[in-house]
Amino acid sequence: QVQLQESGPGLVKSSETLSLTCTVSGGSISNYYWSWIRQPPGKGLEWIGYIYYSGSTNYNPSLKSRVTISMDTSKNQFSLQLSSVTAADTAVYYCALLGFSSVWYYFDPWGQGTLVTVSS
Amino acid sequence: DIQMTQSPSSLSASVGDRVTITCRASQSISNYLNWYQQKPGKAPKLLIYAASSLHSGVPSRFSASGSGTDFTLTISSLRPEDFATYYCQQSYSTPPTFGGGTKVEIK
Repeated sequence: QVQLQESGPGLVKSSETLSLTCTVSGGSISNYYWSWIRQPPGKGLEWIGYIYYSGSTNYNPSLKSRVTISMDTSKNQFSLQLSSVTAADTAVYYCALLGFSSVWYYFDPWGQGTLVTVSS
Repeated sequence: DIQMTQSPSSLSASVGDRVTITCRASQSISNYLNWYQQKPGKAPKLLIYAASSLHSGVPSRFSASGSGTDFTLTISSLRPEDFATYYCQQSYSTPPTFGGGTKVEIK
């Protein structure tokens, strides 16, 4: 079964760019949609965006100006870049597969998550 | 964006209790509604998709219903491993949005 693992710096300075990678194992990254979701400490979940294996993307309008999601099919990885970060971007960042059942989609499975703290 | 509102935000219950959590959408989302369970320090896990379809491997004590704007998740007989936070999520329109969560605690 597909497994996802996030990796990247746990500490990012304010105004810099957050960069994370999600490595997919147990299956090919091709032919699927892959997503990033975040959760500030003690708070709820926020969808960041997704990428299709073709390279097409869709971002949350609230973050669109700062987000880039890309994919490296040769490494079976996809990545998140979030620019100009502030303390409000401190969160656990999850990567997830978009699963489909007919016209319905859902996030499953998820990576274990990685905490990124933005420091001043 | 479609706003998802869950109630209650937390509840206390005992093992064996029947528990019901409500999720309301700010506009009709048909049955494009998913439910997740999250335990402390862990990623959310999918329980229900399409408002009432049980995800593979999820125990049958979990059930859900609803359509339009009002949805419910029911745990028929609470087990110790069910104490967690539950989130609803709409997949009707982009961006997909989540409810604020309902924390189920041990009484």
